[in-house]
Amino acid sequence: EMVLTQSPGTLSLSPGQRATLSCRASQSISSNSLAWYQKRPGQAPRLLISGASSRATGIPDRFSGSGSGTDFTLTISRLEPEDFAVYYCQHYGSSAIFGQGTKLEIK
Amino acid sequence: QVQLVQSGAEVQNPGSSVKVSCKASGGSFSSFGVTWVRQAPGQGLEWMGTVIPIFLSAKYAQKFQDRVTIATDESTNTAYMDLSSLRSEDTAVYYCARTNLNGLASFWGQGTLLTVSS
Repeated sequence: EMVLTQSPGTLSLSPGQRATLSCRASQSISSNSLAWYQKRPGQAPRLLISGASSRATGIPDRFSGSGSGTDFTLTISRLEPEDFAVYYCQHYGSSAIFGQGTKLEIK
Repeated sequence: QVQLVQSGAEVQNPGSSVKVSCKASGGSFSSFGVTWVRQAPGQGLEWMGTVIPIFLSAKYAQKFQDRVTIATDESTNTAYMDLSSLRSEDTAVYYCARTNLNGLASFWGQGTLLTVSS
């Protein structure tokens, strides 16, 4: 069974800094079917990235995704106050699974 | 742009069942699928299942396999999630999402809080 492990669990940074979030899969992910979601309290998940590196419609270009196989990264180039939230990676396809999440908090 | 509107908060007794709805406006579920995801208090996102009617495909997470049914009604542009044999651990916010044919959940509903308590 596929397991996605995200690191770090919590990332403490200041606005304007660069954030790098990691997602490691226990098995190679074919077709790069890896997505990233942002989750704010009281709001629905927001799709940021699909296919490992394609930004969803309306997502600012400070968000970027990279990686293949078992190692994937979400990078936020310059943090804005609204970016502090929890981020989840997800492998999707006929079934799906989420990582446990990375909390991005203000330092 | 499609919007998904879910039914309101529910309080249910342990052992009972619940049916949560998810209505699409400005779009439909035809040629798409639907995914249900939940988030228990203080926990992460948990995939429950995905149904893609045109593929006759229904996949459920193993832990929900015997208790959950997901369906769509194209005549009313509504998706449903039935969860039976409720227990306190099922207390969570439940989200629907319109799902592309490749399984990617793109548009999300606002969430429905289910509280299971006697």
